[in-house]
Amino acid sequence: NAGVTQTPKFRVLKTGQSMTLLCAQDMNHEYMYWYRQDPGMGLRLIHYSVGEGTTAKGEVPDGYNVSRLKKQNFLLGLESAAPSQTSVYFCASRPGQGSYEQYFGPGTRLTVT
Amino acid sequence: GEDVEQSLFLSVREGDSSVINCTYTDSSSTYLYWYKQEPGAGLQLLTYIFSNMDMKQDQRLTVLLNKKDKHLSLRIADTQTGDSAIYFCAESFTGNQFYFGTGTSLTVIP
Repeated sequence: NAGVTQTPKFRVLKTGQSMTLLCAQDMNHEYMYWYRQDPGMGLRLIHYSVGEGTTAKGEVPDGYNVSRLKKQNFLLGLESAAPSQTSVYFCASRPGQGSYEQYFGPGTRLTVT
Repeated sequence: GEDVEQSLFLSVREGDSSVINCTYTDSSSTYLYWYKQEPGAGLQLLTYIFSNMDMKQDQRLTVLLNKKDKHLSLRIADTQTGDSAIYFCAESFTGNQFYFGTGTSLTVIP
């Protein structure tokens, strides 16, 4: 089992460019999450999904879109990147309702100049 | 969102106990968690406690929950240099959304 993987590990974008971050899990988990981590602010939930084909907004969804077309993948899109989106992005998955542990990926460091 | 607060830094000597504190605002929180993040890595769940419990012990880790004061603590006994990391507390009500604290950076001095 690879667990939760994220692609890419690092990326530098110019303001206004777009990109997609890919999260993949091979544990057949129902729930998947995208967080951003900023210094002094902990992790903040961007979007999450409770199953294939479903998505929901988290605490800081503006400027991001997500899709969960396949159960094992959760994509995070930035349509027009802004410097305020410079952050470390973490994906996590969880087996489903009644499970308590989230399994985190290694993170993607994104810099927007 | 919910407010989950932690002090930013803690420094202890190897072999001493570490106590990391967390306060939260949502009195309806059902689950409370402690995560560990090592440099360059994602978060790893250390332990969790249900809101109907006051204490949970797991080897060197002891979690105390004071619901009246909305205060959660993590005690690490016999702290080792390998315990140096950032520790996050988190709360959840529905189990769908999780709210994380700012993280406490623990430094263990040999």
